[in-house]
Amino acid sequence: GENVEQHPSTLSVQEGDSAVIKCTYSDSASNYFPWYKQELGKRPQLIIDIRSNVGEKKDQRIAVTLNKTAKHFSLHITETQPEDSAVYFCAASIGGAGNMLTFGGGTRLMVKP
Amino acid sequence: DGGITQSPKYLFRKEGQNVTLSCEQNLNHDAMYWYRQDPGQGLRLIYYSQIVNDFQKGDIAEGYSVSREKKESFPLTVTSAQKNPTAFYLCASSIMGGPEQYFGPGTRLTVT
Repeated sequence: GENVEQHPSTLSVQEGDSAVIKCTYSDSASNYFPWYKQELGKRPQLIIDIRSNVGEKKDQRIAVTLNKTAKHFSLHITETQPEDSAVYFCAASIGGAGNMLTFGGGTRLMVKP
Repeated sequence: DGGITQSPKYLFRKEGQNVTLSCEQNLNHDAMYWYRQDPGQGLRLIYYSQIVNDFQKGDIAEGYSVSREKKESFPLTVTSAQKNPTAFYLCASSIMGGPEQYFGPGTRLTVT
């Protein structure tokens, strides 16, 4: 089955700096890659996603890039703010029946004011 | 925020007791999922259901059971056979064929 590795497990940045979180996946059939943000004790919230037919997607300060050849994708957050502090999860899916997501282990991002 | 509800938010049980966690959605989503999250870890799939009266095991189904008698509801029973049931349980749903999954607020289960 699919295996998703996520790095780093913790990331500390200064407010205003950029943050980059990387994920690799094993199943070349995967074609959907979402990113979720989870604040302490809360539900994961979908913040951005990318499908395999594009290489990059941007939404304000957040962007995701996908390299299908290398089987990795990354989340980029620019101009970080303290409210960006949370745990971020990447996931991969081959879509189709079940739409099962396989999640990475998560990255705890801390933005220091 | 609304659309998927889970109850209760916190649940305490004694070891050896079965407990059922509720998940309801009014999004008219066909597919529903249960995940388990342990401290500092990612989400692991327990069970999922694509349509009423049908469900499939995920990666860690042992010690759990589900039912899907109604489109809106997908309760999860944590049985006494689950060796380490204390965790944060998250329910999610999606439209059929659509990969985006939306999560409920979660139930934190503590078994002592």
